Amino acid sequence: DAGITQSPRYKITETGRQVTLMCHQTWSHSYMFWYRQDLGHGLRLIYYSAAADITDKGEVPDGYVVSRSKTENFPLTLESATRSQTSVYFCASSERQGASYEQYFGPGTRLTVT
Amino acid sequence: QQPVQSPQAVILREGEDAVINCSSSKALYSVHWYRQKHGEAPVFLMILLKGGEQKGHEKISASFNEKKQQSSLYLTASQLSYSGTYFCGTSPSPSLSYNTDKLIFGTGTRLQVFP
Repeated sequence: DAGITQSPRYKITETGRQVTLMCHQTWSHSYMFWYRQDLGHGLRLIYYSAAADITDKGEVPDGYVVSRSKTENFPLTLESATRSQTSVYFCASSERQGASYEQYFGPGTRLTVT
Repeated sequence: QQPVQSPQAVILREGEDAVINCSSSKALYSVHWYRQKHGEAPVFLMILLKGGEQKGHEKISASFNEKKQQSSLYLTASQLSYSGTYFCGTSPSPSLSYNTDKLIFGTGTRLQVFP
């Protein structure tokens, strides 16, 4: 199906483990974003990418790594998961420059770190 | 800096109106508005770019006051389907930053509409 998908939708992991959240979009949008959503904080930008092989930090990048070898994929890796990274993670994409064009959000991944 | 949204929560009866405000301490290039229903992803409502243009989307409209660095979302004759959390996202003026790609979201305003 066309659109933006995330996997897995739910994940439980242990402290210290590496976890990778996947994001895939079929629109060939240039821009892709990773947000985390926590009660009281709204949506906070972790990393974003303007094109394949171009990434930049957002507001809360510590503890996360991203890559973008292909336009359609933008995986987010937690190198050593901590309990503070328990959150709902949303991936989003945008056709062009993020501030001028609407962002399309994926369904989210609920991550629990025990 | 995160934009500040007010109020934090609104409770309405069907048919009533509401205004949600979004204020920034920095000069803005654009303001986005999104609505998120419980357990779902945020969905785009509208973008307002520098220029003070007012936009509309069904019975939902918004304004952008550059001088005051704020935007307001107007919901008129609210419907049950309007329930959800509303987020504004702002990007800084190019005069402040070369990078207008990033959106900084507010903490949201929870709107509940009852019959």
